[in-house]
Amino acid sequence: KQEVTQIPAALSVPEGENLVLNCSFTDSAIYNLQWFRQDPGKGLTSLLLIQSSQREQTSGRLNASLDKSSGRSTLYIAASQPGDSATYLCAANTGNQFYFGTGTSLTVIP
Amino acid sequence: DGGITQSPKYLFRKEGQNVTLSCEQNLNHDAMYWYRQDPGQGLRLIYYSQIVNDFQKGDIAEGYSVSREKKESFPLTVTSAQKNPTAFYLCASAQTPTYEQYFGPGTRLTVT
Repeated sequence: KQEVTQIPAALSVPEGENLVLNCSFTDSAIYNLQWFRQDPGKGLTSLLLIQSSQREQTSGRLNASLDKSSGRSTLYIAASQPGDSATYLCAANTGNQFYFGTGTSLTVIP
Repeated sequence: DGGITQSPKYLFRKEGQNVTLSCEQNLNHDAMYWYRQDPGQGLRLIYYSQIVNDFQKGDIAEGYSVSREKKESFPLTVTSAQKNPTAFYLCASAQTPTYEQYFGPGTRLTVT
């Protein structure tokens, strides 16, 4: 069964700092990997989707990479802002099911 | 606006009662999913459906039931057999072939 791990569980950074969130998965036979943002008490908002044939995707200040062979994905956030404070989750899709990590809770301090 | 709606946002029930959570999407997506989220845990899959009139159990289906009579709708019933039903429930949909998931706003169920 696919297991997804996110490290660190929590991260606090000063505004303006660049940061990297990590996601690892145990089974490299994934269909795609998706990064989400979740604000307290809300649903998940899709940030980036990387198909298994791709190495990275970019959207604005966000860049996500995927290394299937090592079972790792990273989410890079450039020039962090207080509005980036949220929990970030990754999900590995095996085709039928999505397996989620427990998330990284990010706080950006003004 | 296209999206996924879940109702109600908050739901309170007494122990022993069945309760149905609504999920509707107008994205024309084939696949729909129900997840449960508990503090400190990742999302866990309850049920998913790839097409109308067909659905599959996820990792924690015991005590739950679903139906998929229409493409747009995937209601979840939490039965009295579910031992610990208090949780945040999230519905999602995805379209082939990309399988990018989109989520609804969630329903917080409290059973006392």
